[in-house]
Amino acid sequence: GDSVTQMQGQVTLSEDDFLFINCTYSTTWYPTLFWYVQYPGEGPQLLLKVTTANNKGISRGFEATYDKRTTSFHLQKASVQESDSAVYYCVLGATSSGQKLVFGQGTILKVYL
Amino acid sequence: GGIITQTPKFLIGQEGQKLTLKCQQNFNHDTMYWYRQDSGKGLRLIYYSITENDLQKGDLSEGYDASREKKSSFSLTVTSAQKNEMAVFLCASSLRDWGQDTQYFGPGTRLLVL
Repeated sequence: GDSVTQMQGQVTLSEDDFLFINCTYSTTWYPTLFWYVQYPGEGPQLLLKVTTANNKGISRGFEATYDKRTTSFHLQKASVQESDSAVYYCVLGATSSGQKLVFGQGTILKVYL
Repeated sequence: GGIITQTPKFLIGQEGQKLTLKCQQNFNHDTMYWYRQDSGKGLRLIYYSITENDLQKGDLSEGYDASREKKSSFSLTVTSAQKNEMAVFLCASSLRDWGQDTQYFGPGTRLLVL
């Protein structure tokens, strides 16, 4: 079935460090891929979205590239800020499951001054 | 813009109790969802509804009922709360029911069962 794997449970960085969060997916369909971010006490919100029509998504300094060959959708940011501390979810959509989104386990990002 | 409101914010129940969580959205979206969030497990879909009075089971529907009597509201009932259960229940909505649409989430209801 469809699945998403985020191997990093937590990432700890200092301000201005480079961020890389690993995400791989498995599906037999042509998916839409999302990154959602969840700040403490809030629900998840969309960070960026990529469909089969465009391979790269960029938002608020974050970027993710959809690589069909390696079935990866890693999230990157050149220079993190303390305010980026949150939980980041890689999400698979528009698969043979139709309406359902498949969420990864989430990666907690902690950024210190 | 719009907003999703979930009530209550915190819910403390007793084992075996029936508990109801409510969600309202003013986006005028067709589709609404209920997810359960457990630490370290991502979000799991309990129920969703593509229109008023429609209900579709998700991967985690056992032990839950749902109700969509109006387009703007979607309720979830825990039919028999389990002792020591602790989770966050998130409501979401999207314009339509396809996996390409952005889902907008509420702030969640935090459940604790004593």
